Amino acid sequence: AQSVTQLDSHVSVSEGTPVLLRCNYSSSYSPSLFWYVQHPNKGLQLLLKYTSAATLVKGINGFEAEFKKSETSFHLTKPSAHMSDAAEYFCVVTFSSGTYKYIFGTGTRLKVLA
Amino acid sequence: DAGVTQSPTHLIKTRGQQVTLRCSPISGHKSVSWYQQVLGQGPQFIFQYYEKEERGRGNFPDRFSARQFPNYSSELNVNALLLGDSALYLCASSFSRGVDTQYFGPGTRLTVL
Repeated sequence: AQSVTQLDSHVSVSEGTPVLLRCNYSSSYSPSLFWYVQHPNKGLQLLLKYTSAATLVKGINGFEAEFKKSETSFHLTKPSAHMSDAAEYFCVVTFSSGTYKYIFGTGTRLKVLA
Repeated sequence: DAGVTQSPTHLIKTRGQQVTLRCSPISGHKSVSWYQQVLGQGPQFIFQYYEKEERGRGNFPDRFSARQFPNYSSELNVNALLLGDSALYLCASSFSRGVDTQYFGPGTRLTVL
C-alpha cells in the first residue's frame, strides 16, 4: 500500500537556524512527491515538487528537498528559519497509477522562536 | 488569474441535514478533487472528477457524492450529516488527470451540531 509518514508532529527552531522536516514514503510505484504549507486560516500552498527529474528540488521561500530512493525519503530543509515560516507543513505523495489522488502525511507544525 | 474558489466559507448545520459545497477551478483546469481535513490531521481524498466523470473515490460512505459541470466547476454533497463530518473541505484543481500539481482553494469550514 502507498503511504507517507511525517516523522515529527511538532518542530521548534530558533529564528536564523536551519529547518529540517522529515518525510518517508512507501510505494510500489515510482512516486511524485510534494511539500505544501498551510498557514492558519489559509489554503494549502505548494512549496516544491519532485516528479522524477533532478533529485534535489528547490522551492519557494528558500526551501529545498532531496529525493533519496534508497532511503524512501523526501526531507524538507531550509538553511535559515524566518518567523514567517511558522505554519503546518504537509508531505504529499502521488503515483502514476490509479486515481492519481494525493496521499497526505499527518503534518508537521513548525514553530519559530525569536 | 483567479485561483480556486470555494463557497461558502463557513457553514453550520445540524445532524441529519444535507449540505452542498461548491468549487470553481482555475481557468483551463479540467480536473477537480475534493478532500476532507479534520482538525489536527492531514487532508483525506474524497473524490476526483475529470471531464465531468468520476475518476476516483476515497474511503467515504455513500452519503458523500459529487458532480462536475460542463464548465468544470464542481459540487460536493453530503447527506444525513453526522457530527464527525465537521471538517474543512478542500477543493483542488489541476490541468490534467495525471500526475499534475493540484492547486487548492481556501476551503469550506463545515460545523455539524
